[in-house]
Amino acid sequence: EVQLVESGGGLVQPGRSLKLSCLASGFTFSNYGMNWIRQAPGKGLEWVASISSSSSYIYYADTVKGRFTISRDNAKNTLYLQMTSLRSEDTALYYCARRGTVPDYWGQGVMVTVSS
Amino acid sequence: DVVLTQTPPTLSATIGQSVSISCRSSQSLLDSDGDTYLNWLLQRPGQSPQLLIYSVSNLESGVPNRFSGSGSETDFTLKISGVEAEDLGVYYCMQATHAPLTFGSGTKLEIK
Repeated sequence: EVQLVESGGGLVQPGRSLKLSCLASGFTFSNYGMNWIRQAPGKGLEWVASISSSSSYIYYADTVKGRFTISRDNAKNTLYLQMTSLRSEDTALYYCARRGTVPDYWGQGVMVTVSS
Repeated sequence: DVVLTQTPPTLSATIGQSVSISCRSSQSLLDSDGDTYLNWLLQRPGQSPQLLIYSVSNLESGVPNRFSGSGSETDFTLKISGVEAEDLGVYYCMQATHAPLTFGSGTKLEIK
């Protein structure tokens, strides 16, 4: 069974940093591109970043470019999102999702709240 | 960025009724590789989104066949043939043909 389990969220002050993790199981992690997608409270879905299976290709939304870094450790079956210079508008539920063009499995999400 | 316009924003249906949701794109979603990366997702209350339909009309494994997708280029439709209680939630179209990946604003399906 494919499982994606996010962790690392919490309450953080504006300007601070946070690192999210997504532990994958039930499939060969190193064969799949991965995404981070977020959802602000009561709002729709917003793509944040994508990374190819071997980390050769990485893409970011303009809203996070220069502040967020997506990475992965295929030996640990883990996807990461390093978030710096956090802003109130980054407050959201962050999902990791498998595959770039067809996100077929999603984690349960991890909440990030940016507030003083 | 590609803008996906979903209509209607809300939909109220009785059990057994058939409904359709429209998704219109600001650009053609036909990719140079011949595929059209337009997908449909359902987010049930309190749950993560789940994939229903991929590449316009392909039913994801395990999804009931009362769901169907159609369309091309810029106009796409999700149809539910005989709504069931478990179908309530918010439906999103999303495209992955053009970077960045974008989503429609969602259609909330309510059961009367």
